[in-house]
Amino acid sequence: DAKTTQPTSMDCAEGRAANLPCNHSTISGNEYVYWYRQIHSQGPQYIIHGLKNNETNEMASLIITEDRKSSTLILPHATLRDTAVYYCIVRVANAGGTSYGKLTFGQGTILTVHP
Amino acid sequence: GAVVSQHPSRVICKSGTSVKIECRSLDFQATTMFWYRQFPKQSLMLMATSNEGSKATYEQGVEKDKFLINHASLTLSTLTVTSAHPEDSSFYICSAREAGVGGVGNTIYFGEGSWLTVV
Repeated sequence: DAKTTQPTSMDCAEGRAANLPCNHSTISGNEYVYWYRQIHSQGPQYIIHGLKNNETNEMASLIITEDRKSSTLILPHATLRDTAVYYCIVRVANAGGTSYGKLTFGQGTILTVHP
Repeated sequence: GAVVSQHPSRVICKSGTSVKIECRSLDFQATTMFWYRQFPKQSLMLMATSNEGSKATYEQGVEKDKFLINHASLTLSTLTVTSAHPEDSSFYICSAREAGVGGVGNTIYFGEGSWLTVV
């Protein structure tokens, strides 16, 4: 899986948009960008994923650059409950093989949402 | 959505004893489950891949005789930490891959994690 680079930490005011960047310059053509988050002392939670088009769901939006070398996760109206570590992971989606689903976590971005 | 449950959520055991952690997929079948370990202020580190009906595949540096993994059914994998020592104290997390699902949707779900403290 391609390596990703994320800022160590970010702050965001409650109610404002949180924009979390991720660089994945070595991404392959068949690799997707996945985002997970981990709230303190809990298991990771899936947020969103995409290949090359921008994606939106009830949790967030994902903007992927045209060259796919970077992406941004957007939480449109951050709340205090969005304080967590956010992980950007690049991997092949739903491929065959017994190792599919093995995720390599980097250090992620610690997002702190403050009042 | 799909739910993965871990039990116990917290356990304290004495040094030298063994402790078992269960990972269950509650509403789907999982041919493959993964076990991660996370030390405080660090990221998740994959320990092993657990495949139903076959031996687990361990990552480099993980002792297979110390961390016994059994995946006897499509909904249950267990991690047994044998002869536990204080340095094994950690947050253990499992994930499950939903079987037989194609397409490009999300099919990997994480448990809530289990805190192990060895005293």
